[in-house]
Amino acid sequence: NAGVTQTPKFRVLKTGQSMTLLCAQDMNHEYMYWYRQDPGMGLRLIHYSVGEGTTAKGEVPDGYNVSRLKKQNFLLGLESAAPSQTSVYFCASSRKTSGQETQYFGPGTRLLVL
Amino acid sequence: AQSVAQPEDQVNVAEGNPLTVKCTYSVSGNPYLFWYVQYPNRGLQFLLKYITGDNLVKGSYGFEAEFNKSQTSFHLKKPSALVSDSALYFCAVRKQAGNTGKLIFGQGTTLQVKP
Repeated sequence: NAGVTQTPKFRVLKTGQSMTLLCAQDMNHEYMYWYRQDPGMGLRLIHYSVGEGTTAKGEVPDGYNVSRLKKQNFLLGLESAAPSQTSVYFCASSRKTSGQETQYFGPGTRLLVL
Repeated sequence: AQSVAQPEDQVNVAEGNPLTVKCTYSVSGNPYLFWYVQYPNRGLQFLLKYITGDNLVKGSYGFEAEFNKSQTSFHLKKPSALVSDSALYFCAVRKQAGNTGKLIFGQGTTLQVKP
């Protein structure tokens, strides 16, 4: 059981380039989330998904898009990267939630936008 | 709106001493409360959560937290700190009613345990 995995681990982009971050989970979880972590700001929710084929905006969705074509995968896309998107990105998943369920986190992707 | 405050950016304690990492929250209605720990260059790991019932919650690695509704607090504690407890700790809240699983995180507190 690998849990939640993320690829790549680290990436450097130039301003205006695009990329996709992949999150995969093998726990058959319904819910998946993308967060960004910035110093002194904790984790902020970018987008989330409550099931295959559904996505919704979180707290800081601008500049990002997501897709959940398969239950086990949740992709985060940056169409035109900006230096403000330099951050550490974490994916998480949880069971279909009544609120009590724990979220399980991946190891993170460090993104540097020059 | 939901919010979480961790008033201390860093907490320093000596190994063997008790530690407390503070967390206060604001949410309409009853909360679900969580503590996570992050070791350097790693993802967040779940420590413990408060759902309902006993206000004292015991979690992983000897940590515990006390839910205080009147003070809207959920402080993390450990009776005897270890050097290996040094990490970044996050408190998070989710309101019980009408939620979609979204957690609101505090800004994090760095715990430094010195030998």
